[in-house]
Amino acid sequence: GQNIDQPTEMTATEGAIVQINCTYQTSGFNGLFWYQQHAGEAPTFLSYNVLDGLEEKGRFSSFLSRSKGYSYLLLKELQMKDSASYLCAVKDSNYQLIWGAGTKLIIKP
Amino acid sequence: EAEVAQSPRYKITEKSQAVAFWCDPISGHATLYWYRQILGQGPELLVQFQDESVVDDSQLPKDRFSAERLKGVDSTLKIQPAELGDSAMYLCASSLGTGESDTQYFGPGTRLTVL
Repeated sequence: GQNIDQPTEMTATEGAIVQINCTYQTSGFNGLFWYQQHAGEAPTFLSYNVLDGLEEKGRFSSFLSRSKGYSYLLLKELQMKDSASYLCAVKDSNYQLIWGAGTKLIIKP
Repeated sequence: EAEVAQSPRYKITEKSQAVAFWCDPISGHATLYWYRQILGQGPELLVQFQDESVVDDSQLPKDRFSAERLKGVDSTLKIQPAELGDSAMYLCASSLGTGESDTQYFGPGTRLTVL
């Protein structure tokens, strides 16, 4: 079967750095996506990785290792508005998105 | 900035009633998706359209759910009759296509409560 694992919940402090991990086992790989979802709202696109390495976009960075089936999302200079769920999703060999259950990130002052 | 439109934003209905959700994708996006999301879980794909054709509806409960995209633009998802277990967020997303880097963009969703 296909599987994406993320921690259920993480807590971090305002101004700090947090790393949210995602491991995947899918039938084929055609890219990995990270989405942010605030409570009661729809997911919004954050980043896309298809090659190994780090992609940086402002305070957010995403890393991919295809050989390890592993990605992480790095959030720097945390702000209270970063409190949200972060969803990892992988495009499989059929170009279907396989979704993780999301990691709820709680930011404390 | 172009956005996916959905309506209604909230819907409360009684079980056994019919409900319908509407979605208007980003202009030029050929692929449209309907997802269902339960609190604490990732989105579950219900149906995927490429233009007006259904590409994947393997997870759509066809005894009560139906979806159409008649002119290959906007789409409607219907539930008849609604059951208590249908209470969830219904999300519509669109993308240019289904290629490797094609990103899905989501509408605001419809929160359905079945009483």
